[in-house]
Amino acid sequence: DTAVSQTPKYLVTQMGNDKSIKCEQNLGHDTMYWYKQDSKKFLKIMFSYNNKELIINETVPNRFSPKSPDKAHLNLHINSLELGDSAVYFCASSPLLGTNEQFFGPGTRLTVL
Amino acid sequence: AQSVAQPEDQVNVAEGNPLTVKCTYSVSGNPYLFWYVQYPNRGLQFLLKYITGDNLVKGSYGFEAEFNKSQTSFHLKKPSALVSDSALYFCAVRDRDTGRRALTFGSGTRLQVQP
Repeated sequence: DTAVSQTPKYLVTQMGNDKSIKCEQNLGHDTMYWYKQDSKKFLKIMFSYNNKELIINETVPNRFSPKSPDKAHLNLHINSLELGDSAVYFCASSPLLGTNEQFFGPGTRLTVL
Repeated sequence: AQSVAQPEDQVNVAEGNPLTVKCTYSVSGNPYLFWYVQYPNRGLQFLLKYITGDNLVKGSYGFEAEFNKSQTSFHLKKPSALVSDSALYFCAVRDRDTGRRALTFGSGTRLQVQP
C-alpha cells in the first residue's frame, strides 16, 4: 500500500484555470506538507499543516490555498494558474513527535501552457 | 534561519570506487540532518538521518554520513559505488530547538556512477 499518494500524477492546463491536487497519507501522521520543486530541481516548502491547522505558509501567493479536511488529507488548490506555477509538487507527511523524518509522495507534475 | 549548501551540482565516480557527496548546513540551534535520494520521475526516498550520538550514521543501500559539528558538515559516503546509485541526492536540515518542522533542502547533487 502506498504510504503517501497524490493525484493526479500529471496535470496539464491553460493559464488562468483553477486546479486542485490531492494528497492522502495512511501512516497515521499528524503533520503534512506541500513542497514545490522547480525546473532546476530546487525543493522549497510551501505549507505545513498540523492536525488540520496551518502551521507554515512560506510567502506563497494567495492563489494557492491548502485545504485539510482531516489529518490524513491535504489538498492544494491553485487559482488563476500562471506559467511560473509549472513545477513538480510534492506532498509529504511526518509524525508530530520525534525527529521529523518525512515521507514523500510521488509528486504531481503541473504544466501550465 | 536555516540553510543547506551542496557545493557540487554533479559528482562522477566509477563503479566500485568510493563516493562522497558534500553537504554543509547552517542553523541557529542544534540540527537534525537528513539525506534523501530522488530517482528520475519519482518522489524523495529517505536514506539516513543524524539526530544525536554517534557522528557516523549508517543508512539504506550501504550509505553512511558523517556529522562534523566544527565544520558544520554532513557528507554522504559509500565505500563502493553502484551504477544503480545514480540519482539526485538532497541534504536537508531542521533546527531541533525551534518549533519549525519543515525541512530546508540543499539544491541537490546529481550522482553519476559510470560502469
